[in-house]
Amino acid sequence: GNSVTQMEGPVTLSEEAFLTINCTYTATGYPSLFWYVQYPGEGLQLLLKATKADDKGSNKGFEATYRKETTSFHLEKGSVQVSDSAVYFCALRGSGNTGKLIFGQGTTLQVKP
Amino acid sequence: DTGVSQDPRHKITKRGQNVTFRCDPISEHNRLYWYRQTLGQGPEFLTYFQNEAQLEKSRLLSDRFSAERPKGSFSTLEIQRTEQGDSAMYLCASSPRDRGPQETQYFGPGTRLLVL
Repeated sequence: GNSVTQMEGPVTLSEEAFLTINCTYTATGYPSLFWYVQYPGEGLQLLLKATKADDKGSNKGFEATYRKETTSFHLEKGSVQVSDSAVYFCALRGSGNTGKLIFGQGTTLQVKP
Repeated sequence: DTGVSQDPRHKITKRGQNVTFRCDPISEHNRLYWYRQTLGQGPEFLTYFQNEAQLEKSRLLSDRFSAERPKGSFSTLEIQRTEQGDSAMYLCASSPRDRGPQETQYFGPGTRLLVL
């Protein structure tokens, strides 16, 4: 079945450091891929998405490229801020009519000033 | 657009009791999803509706769980004879009409359930 694997956390960085959170997936067909973020005390928010191979999703300085050859969708940001501290979830939506999302286990990011 | 709302935000109950949660989706969103999230894990799909029709249920949804969406607007999730293993955050999400790969789900704040 479809699945998503994220790198283990927590990830602790200093402000302005470069961020990478790895995400790989297993899926048949051509899934859509998403990054959601959960700030402390808040609900899940869509951060970015990509719906086909080689698409790059971007938002708020974050980027992720849909790599079908490596079945990956790694999240990157060139310079993190304290306000980026949150839990990040990689997710996929399988091809076909199902709308359900399959999530990774989440990666906690802590950015220190 | 007030976003997806869920009620209650927190629920503490004793083992064996029944609980019911409510989700109000974004207006005119015709798809509504329920997920469950335990501590340190990502959300797991439970079930979803398109309008009032329940189209898919996960095997996680035992016969103690039932979900409804009368009239295709708000939805309720009921858990009968709660068990301590039901303790989790229950998340609701909605999305506009099916847009295939472009579909985006918008999540509510969740209902945190603690079964004593």
